[in-house]
Amino acid sequence: QKEVEQDPGPLSVPEGAIVSLNCTYSNSAFQYFMWYRQYSRKGPELLMYTYSSGNKEDGRFTAQVDKSSKYISLFIRDSQPSDSATYLCAMRREGGSEKLVFGKGTKLTVNP
Amino acid sequence: EAGVAQSPRYKIIEKRQSVAFWCNPISGHATLYWYQQILGQGPKLLIQFQNNGVVDDSQLPKDRFSAERLKGVDSTLKIQPAKLEDSAVYLCASSSTGGYGYTFGSGTRLTVV
Repeated sequence: QKEVEQDPGPLSVPEGAIVSLNCTYSNSAFQYFMWYRQYSRKGPELLMYTYSSGNKEDGRFTAQVDKSSKYISLFIRDSQPSDSATYLCAMRREGGSEKLVFGKGTKLTVNP
Repeated sequence: EAGVAQSPRYKIIEKRQSVAFWCNPISGHATLYWYQQILGQGPKLLIQFQNNGVVDDSQLPKDRFSAERLKGVDSTLKIQPAKLEDSAVYLCASSSTGGYGYTFGSGTRLTVV
């Protein structure tokens, strides 16, 4: 079993839709959870981060972490064509090397 | 602040040739990472430096890959000899100690033919 599982999609939605992206993980030591957005031919950019369980909101984006289920989600409200990208979940343990373990990424297309 | 700089952006080489990639992290960032991202996959850590020292190189194929970070700033990743399966994007990232996330460069896209 991979440490982090993410459905690669692709996911195609109409403009204005609510998008839900998810990852599951197996390592209970993970404490920091992040979402990166990667546009084509660019490096990943940090979108959201959460420590331990709970929700975090930033504009149209909401990140949720459920450590009891080892499940994290990213919600995008009122999706825009500019949100079209690959979304990568990433996580790491407390302390240690700060190494991030990434999911495969979900490719999202928002159609105008 | 300036971002993480990488060069070259693209490289095509034949198998068994050697290649080197360069990275200049964000000023003041002590930690530097090299990740390999194969098409359709998430990035995988190859090596992590803290200042000049190696923190984690457990997934670096040491028979063909090498990396150095001189003076705790710039870093070079080398592959010698390259194999077809090394075709990937090589991403450099840096972070400040205790930071929540990294800042990535745009990567070097390597094609081995």
